[in-house]
Amino acid sequence: DAGITQSPRHKVTETGTPVTLRCHQTENHRYMYWYRQDPGHGLRLIHYSYGVKDTDKGEVSDGYSVSRSKTEDFLLTLESATSSQTSVYFCAISYRTGNTGELFFGEGSRLTVL
Amino acid sequence: GDSVTQMEGPVTLSEEAFLTINCTYTATGYPSLFWYVQYPGEGLQLLLKATKADDKGSNKGFEATYRKETTSFHLEKGSVQVSDSAVYFCALTMYNNNDMRFGAGTRLTVKP
Repeated sequence: DAGITQSPRHKVTETGTPVTLRCHQTENHRYMYWYRQDPGHGLRLIHYSYGVKDTDKGEVSDGYSVSRSKTEDFLLTLESATSSQTSVYFCAISYRTGNTGELFFGEGSRLTVL
Repeated sequence: GDSVTQMEGPVTLSEEAFLTINCTYTATGYPSLFWYVQYPGEGLQLLLKATKADDKGSNKGFEATYRKETTSFHLEKGSVQVSDSAVYFCALTMYNNNDMRFGAGTRLTVKP
């Protein structure tokens, strides 16, 4: 198994509260990603990072921010959670980009916003 | 934009039946194509991939062939087992593109 740890694994919060999800890797991979998984949509990219302090937006970035201060950690923050952000969030890592870059996924973080 | 469409589920089969899960793609160039599998309570893991037209990816008895003429990458297995029960995702990515696009997923249940 790829050394990816997500925390927390489950969280219930209320609308308007801030939430931070953490992804920690032990593989020293350059690329890290945050996806959300929703029924009927598969996985959609929120943000990704291609190095320390280097991040970019994905398909569904509105309402989310990220930070990467160390190679091993990639944080996803919901500044003010909304019910539409109820989802399962997956972190993924890759040692290379593009069309040959296999993604390795964490086990997911289930977030419920009431 | 680039996208993947895969057959609606759920799919229920008896053990040893033949499996096909259809996947078609729309892309402006020549993507690489992937099948990922998600077992209950776990993250996705790569099942197989193909990076150019006519390539065949294979793993654990599953196969898929990259067909440029029909823009398809259908997943097949000749004889499914109960342990193959999972959700299967077709995905694509373009060269030097960090945005892998996934289909909606197809849930497969195999009954003994």
